[in-house]
Amino acid sequence: AQRVTQPEKLLSVFKGAPVELKCNYSYSGSPELFWYVQYSRQRLQLLLRHISRESIKGFTADLNKGETSFHLKKPFAQEEDSAMYYCALTRNSGNTPLVFGKGTRLSVIA
Amino acid sequence: DAGVTQSPTHLIKTRGQQVTLRCSPKSGHDTVSWYQQALGQGPQFIFQYYEEEERQRGNFPDRFSGHQFPNYSSELNVNALLLGDSALYLCASSLEIGRINTEAFFGQGTRLTVV
Repeated sequence: AQRVTQPEKLLSVFKGAPVELKCNYSYSGSPELFWYVQYSRQRLQLLLRHISRESIKGFTADLNKGETSFHLKKPFAQEEDSAMYYCALTRNSGNTPLVFGKGTRLSVIA
Repeated sequence: DAGVTQSPTHLIKTRGQQVTLRCSPKSGHDTVSWYQQALGQGPQFIFQYYEEEERQRGNFPDRFSGHQFPNYSSELNVNALLLGDSALYLCASSLEIGRINTEAFFGQGTRLTVV
């Protein structure tokens, strides 16, 4: 079965501190992993995807197939990073549906 | 480009009633997917439409049905509403390019409350 687990509902960090949002997945096959973000009063939007290997807004995520993890990291949190973050996966071929985790709310304290 | 637009933004219905939600995809997109997001949960896939046909379906009962029009816009219909159908309904559009996962763009959602 396909499943995405985000163990933390809420993560609070101080501004300037490192951030790590955890994501573990189970999938039989070759998945594609994503992080989506939802800022206050805005729509869900793509933050990054593992195949692009980009750093967006200072965030990075490495796919660890051995540990089936795709943790989101940022070395220095900013107040504007406060948002809801969702990890998601899909099959690595074609417009297949996204399977989302329950999300983690990141709160960056000034 | 207004992106993905959904209407209405909020809706209150009574148990047993029927509801229709609407979605206009981002300009140039031909695939529409619908998700249900219950409070405190991540979005859950309902179904996907491409070329006016339901291509994939999640684990939702037949009370949930949909349609895609020639202009790629889509409707989600829910019959015999239950209290448990109260949720945020999200529409996402994307462009079909062979076996490539293209970015899905989400609408603001329709908040459905069943009383």
